[in-house]
Amino acid sequence: NAGVMQNPRHLVRRRGQEARLRCSPMKGHSHVYWYRQLPEEGLKFMVYLQKENIIDESGMPKERFSAEFPKEGPSILRIQQVVRGDSAAYFCASSQQAGQGGQPQHFGDGTRLSIL
Amino acid sequence: AQSVTQLGSHVSVSEGALVLLRCNYSSSVPPYLFWYVQYPNQGLQLLLKYTTGATLVKGINGFEAEFKKSETSFHLTKPSAHMSDAAEYFCAVSEPHFGNEKLTFGTGTRLTIIP
Repeated sequence: NAGVMQNPRHLVRRRGQEARLRCSPMKGHSHVYWYRQLPEEGLKFMVYLQKENIIDESGMPKERFSAEFPKEGPSILRIQQVVRGDSAAYFCASSQQAGQGGQPQHFGDGTRLSIL
Repeated sequence: AQSVTQLGSHVSVSEGALVLLRCNYSSSVPPYLFWYVQYPNQGLQLLLKYTTGATLVKGINGFEAEFKKSETSFHLTKPSAHMSDAAEYFCAVSEPHFGNEKLTFGTGTRLTIIP
């Protein structure tokens, strides 16, 4: 499967623990976007990364959340000291090099985070 | 800032009937528009997109959408519904901006097909 791979699919954490969500983009894609979907809501943009660079983090909560996309390996969304309100589905999407615009984003199946 | 409004969080149609899912957008510049479909416990799959050119866009699974600038709309239609069309549908917009194509989504429309 050459699609966007996210793992784990399901993650359960207790309040105060750390959650790490991983995303491997499609082959040949160098742009990664993270979105969060709360129950019964649409997806909300969180952060946009290219290799080794955060391009736009305007949707990220100011505290506890961070993201990276290293030169080697998957993109990581990290949530420290999780709280109940962090329970959601987190989706990663990747796209090819931005050119004229309108590049479709290809989505992974998401990580469903549950906080006990 | 851009925004998307999807009228009708739930739509039910009979199998074989016309499907019409509404989407209106707000954007400070001519936008790029997308429709995605989400099946339970899965990610989003692109149905179709509009960037420039012909305003009637055809997508996968028999869906199409028409960009109407004067109405700021991008409604999704399918002439004849099939049971497999039952899913959640999201309209999304991005603003042409080299290097950042983050999507703004509507809240979604859950489509139910009645046998």
